[in-house]
Amino acid sequence: EIVLTQSPATLSLSPGERATLSCRASQSVSSYLAWYQHKPGQAPRLLIYDASNRAPGIPARFSGSGSGTDFTLTIGSLEPEDFAVYYCQQRSNWPPLTFGGGTKVEIK
Amino acid sequence: QVQLVESGGGAVQPGRSLRLSCAASGFNFGSYAMHWVRQAPGKGLEWVALIFYDGTNEYYTDSVRGRFTISRDNSKNTLYLQMNSLRTEDTAIYYCASELRIAVTGHEYFQLWGQGTLVTVSS
Repeated sequence: EIVLTQSPATLSLSPGERATLSCRASQSVSSYLAWYQHKPGQAPRLLIYDASNRAPGIPARFSGSGSGTDFTLTIGSLEPEDFAVYYCQQRSNWPPLTFGGGTKVEIK
Repeated sequence: QVQLVESGGGAVQPGRSLRLSCAASGFNFGSYAMHWVRQAPGKGLEWVALIFYDGTNEYYTDSVRGRFTISRDNSKNTLYLQMNSLRTEDTAIYYCASELRIAVTGHEYFQLWGQGTLVTVSS
């Protein structure tokens, strides 16, 4: 099973600041990685697929990078609606499909 | 409107059964593989099960294999999760999600999610 480790667990930032979230895989997943945003009481939303491609309708302030075992989600300038929990997910080697433990981006 | 709506959650005692449903609308349900994903209280997302678009293949995470069964009725645009021998650790919000296949790479991801239904297993 591929384990995804996200860091930090919590990121405390102010609106307008840049957020950098990390996801590290226990073995290479090539570019087979996605990022999701999840707000309480809502459905998760696909942000980034194949490590660096924005899903339809996702604002340009969200960007993804990386390949192999190290990946980064960057939110260029935080908007109030961006405060949420973010998960990375792989399907390179499955089952099981696995998620990272999540990074909570909270208002400072 | 393109959406997934889960139902069937509730409170149940350990060892009992429950069946979840996920009603799809606004898209060609029968063309997409479907998943169940859950989130235990205070925890992250955990993949539970996958069924191919035509129901020919099913996959499960180890902790539910042999107890849970994923199925679908494409004529009713509905996905199911039959949960037997429930345990306290199955307590979670259960989400259904449709699969997106990326044309260029053939990679698949979770595209559309429902709002979830809460299952509580407690004596």
